[in-house]
Amino acid sequence: GESVGLHLPTLSVQEGDNSIINCAYSNSASDYFIWYKQESGKGPQFIIDIRSNMDKRQGQRVTVLLNKTVKHLSLQIAATQPGDSAVYFCAENLSGYSTLTFGKGTMLLVSP
Amino acid sequence: EPEVTQTPSHQVTQMGQEVILRCVPISNHLYFYWYRQILGQKVEFLVSFYNNEISEKSEIFDDQFSVERPDGSNFTLKIRSTKLEDSAMYFCASSEGWGSQPQHFGDGTRLSIL
Repeated sequence: GESVGLHLPTLSVQEGDNSIINCAYSNSASDYFIWYKQESGKGPQFIIDIRSNMDKRQGQRVTVLLNKTVKHLSLQIAATQPGDSAVYFCAENLSGYSTLTFGKGTMLLVSP
Repeated sequence: EPEVTQTPSHQVTQMGQEVILRCVPISNHLYFYWYRQILGQKVEFLVSFYNNEISEKSEIFDDQFSVERPDGSNFTLKIRSTKLEDSAMYFCASSEGWGSQPQHFGDGTRLSIL
């Protein structure tokens, strides 16, 4: 897909493993964060979000962790499946603004 | 599940021509956005739109660009006098509310300027 660049960080895992994808965000004042999944030829698909008053949020097979001290966000995917193979982006938002600022993305490759 | 739809999926245009990219946001959403992604680069914000007005725009969104909600369902991005560097994926998104709300994206229009 169009989002796959030649120099994306890549995480390769085996099916059934847990995956951790990391993101360093840029603005210490950002207070809302989203993880998106982008499959080849598709648009960014919402996975999970978290507000800055939380450190952790869990969804179905996914957990997002937020460390505001070091401006770090992570996405944990439990029991990774081949269908999880995609590029994953974090995006940040500053309260009062509509702009989402996207990170560079990480490609997750899941081998059966 | 409701989704944002974009047409066409691929648009090829000669440099200097005008293009209109079309989007149908999710029906109960009130806030609409355009983003673009140049090949190999990050997704970049272009503009947000609410109540028939531009709410925010980035430096990229200069006089060459305009947006419109011509009817109750469509949201369009017009690019006048296209340049080679306008070649990119253009994504439309919509959200129920403003700011700290999930934005839901369409699958994009790939714009190729020759």
